[in-house]
Amino acid sequence: EPEVTQTPSHQVTQMGQEVILRCVPISNHLYFYWYRQILGQKVEFLVSFYNNEISEKSEIFDDQFSVERPDGSNFTLKIRSTKLEDSAMYFCASSESMSDEQFFGPGTRLTVL
Amino acid sequence: QKEVEQNSGPLSVPEGAIASLNCTYSDRGSQSFFWYRQYSGKSPELIMSIYSNGDKEDGRFTAQLNKASQYVSLLIRDSQPSDSATYLCADSGAGSYQLTFGKGTKLSVIP
Repeated sequence: EPEVTQTPSHQVTQMGQEVILRCVPISNHLYFYWYRQILGQKVEFLVSFYNNEISEKSEIFDDQFSVERPDGSNFTLKIRSTKLEDSAMYFCASSESMSDEQFFGPGTRLTVL
Repeated sequence: QKEVEQNSGPLSVPEGAIASLNCTYSDRGSQSFFWYRQYSGKSPELIMSIYSNGDKEDGRFTAQLNKASQYVSLLIRDSQPSDSATYLCADSGAGSYQLTFGKGTKLSVIP
């Protein structure tokens, strides 16, 4: 069964460093998303991406964040200068169409020291 | 600010019983509703989607939607210890890409 994959599973970085989180969405899906979940809190939307551009973003997704689809399969989230409060699980998701079921990857646990 | 509200639990039910999970949402424009299961330290796993008023059944799971009351529920029949997890309710508004999640209800199925 097709699934969303994410790498790495765990990333440890120093405050102020740049990180890139990677995702491979389900192959026939056209819509891609990033969510985050701080420990003990709810899942929060960051950004959606369709047709090679951002379609919607939340207030969390500020200038420190960027997304890219560098090739036909990968979808990345970059955090330019990490802060302690960026420590969270980051989930990539994909869907066939807008408002359709979104399928989540296993997540990347980001720890900022 | 869109909100999805869930009772955080924990909700404890004996094995074999029916577990009933509830959710309310604030956005009257919401059109799509989803239930996800999340085991500790894992990612959300889609259980069911529901788009129309009424019931939708899939195996041991039944989702119910009442748009007039802005209420969504999930029934789990013949609950198993493996159903012990946090259940997340989420909605998606008209013209919106994002899912808005509730905090989740922790379910514990006691053998």
